[in-house]
Amino acid sequence: EVLLQQSGAELVRPGSSVKISCKASGYTFTDYYMHWVKQRPEQGLVWIGRINPANGNTVYAEKFKSKATLTADKSSNTAYMQLSSLTSEDTATYFCTRGLYWGQGVMVTVSS
Amino acid sequence: DIQMTQSPSFLSASVGDRVTINCKASQNINKYLNWYQQKLGEAPKRLIYNTNNLQTGIPSRFSGSGSGTDYTLTISSLQPEDFATYFCLQHNSFPWTFGGGTKLELK
Repeated sequence: EVLLQQSGAELVRPGSSVKISCKASGYTFTDYYMHWVKQRPEQGLVWIGRINPANGNTVYAEKFKSKATLTADKSSNTAYMQLSSLTSEDTATYFCTRGLYWGQGVMVTVSS
Repeated sequence: DIQMTQSPSFLSASVGDRVTINCKASQNINKYLNWYQQKLGEAPKRLIYNTNNLQTGIPSRFSGSGSGTDYTLTISSLQPEDFATYFCLQHNSFPWTFGGGTKLELK
């Protein structure tokens, strides 16, 4: 069974950074791109970017190029996304997804 | 970026109704269009991939069609569990872009 297990909710201060994880199981981690998607409360979905876990190659949406950093650890079958210089605009749920399979989402709240 | 204009934003319907949801792309997306259903507090669920391919396990009352810039999701006979929000996603070119969503509500 394919599972994408994401880390827990985060409450972070404005200006700080946060790193969230997505642990994959039930398939060969390096065979599929991992995508990340943002969803602000009661709003739509926004594609952040994707990583190829086999070689670390990344593609980002322009608006996230200085906000998000995607990495992957083949040894632990885990994808990561770091978000930097956090503002209230970054308060959202962040999903990792393989297209068909999705993580449960991580709620990141930016508040002082 | 390819803009995806989804309509309607809200749809009120009854059990048994046939409903259609549309997505219009700002340029040809070569049928690289997926449909997702999302319920409150849950991750999206893929219903249809590449315009008209029904995901395994999804009821046959869901279907997709379209080409070029215009795509449609049809639910042939609404069931109580279908009341949710629906999104389209183009994956023809980067950045991938979603439609704004259609909230399907019980009339």
